[in-house]
Amino acid sequence: DQQVKQNSPSLSVQEGRISILNCDYTNSMFDYFLWYKKYPAEGPTFLISISSIKDKNEDGRFTVFLNKSAKHLSLHIVPSQPGDSAVYFCAASGGYGGATNKLIFGTGTLLAVQP
Amino acid sequence: ETGVTQTPRHLVMGMTNKKSLKCEQHLGHNAMYWYKQSAKKPLELMFVYSLEERVENNSVPSRFSPECPNSSHLFLHLHTLQPEDSALYLCASSQDPALRDGYTFGSGTRLTVV
Repeated sequence: DQQVKQNSPSLSVQEGRISILNCDYTNSMFDYFLWYKKYPAEGPTFLISISSIKDKNEDGRFTVFLNKSAKHLSLHIVPSQPGDSAVYFCAASGGYGGATNKLIFGTGTLLAVQP
Repeated sequence: ETGVTQTPRHLVMGMTNKKSLKCEQHLGHNAMYWYKQSAKKPLELMFVYSLEERVENNSVPSRFSPECPNSSHLFLHLHTLQPEDSALYLCASSQDPALRDGYTFGSGTRLTVV
């Protein structure tokens, strides 16, 4: 049972337009959400995060929105650039016991920004 | 070197071979992780080590055997693997339990089992 879902395996956007990547989760105990970006032949790199006490976090061209009632978060990239083309993973943490936190990842969305 | 380094980058092995994946972190973190990434699947957490003790084992088959000799090094020993074990194996570290910046990942080892 997937607790973090990215239902769009791919997204294509024109350069300069907005990219919106979506993520849904099922565990209401998650209290921290992160987006990672992954280029081919590289490991995922941290992009932006949001705590469950907030509904928006912005960092330059990247904004993450959290809708707790809908258990939904989204990543907005504006304006999109060709260098943003990568796989974007949504991840969530919290809601588990144990000695460490752990990240639960979605399946990823491949973003292609067309010049 | 800085960050998280994984070796080898690529590995092809037969089903009867024994090999090991290596991960090294130079970030002063005290938690390390092995993840498996298969096509069209989420990154799957395999093992978690905190302060060199294994604190989580997510029902991983015994043909995968982790080892954490110190807080900077993590190994994944492989033996009698199956073709379906072919995947990208990612190592990560974090300053447990803080996750404000999430994990730092290595570039991964692309494993092909033939």
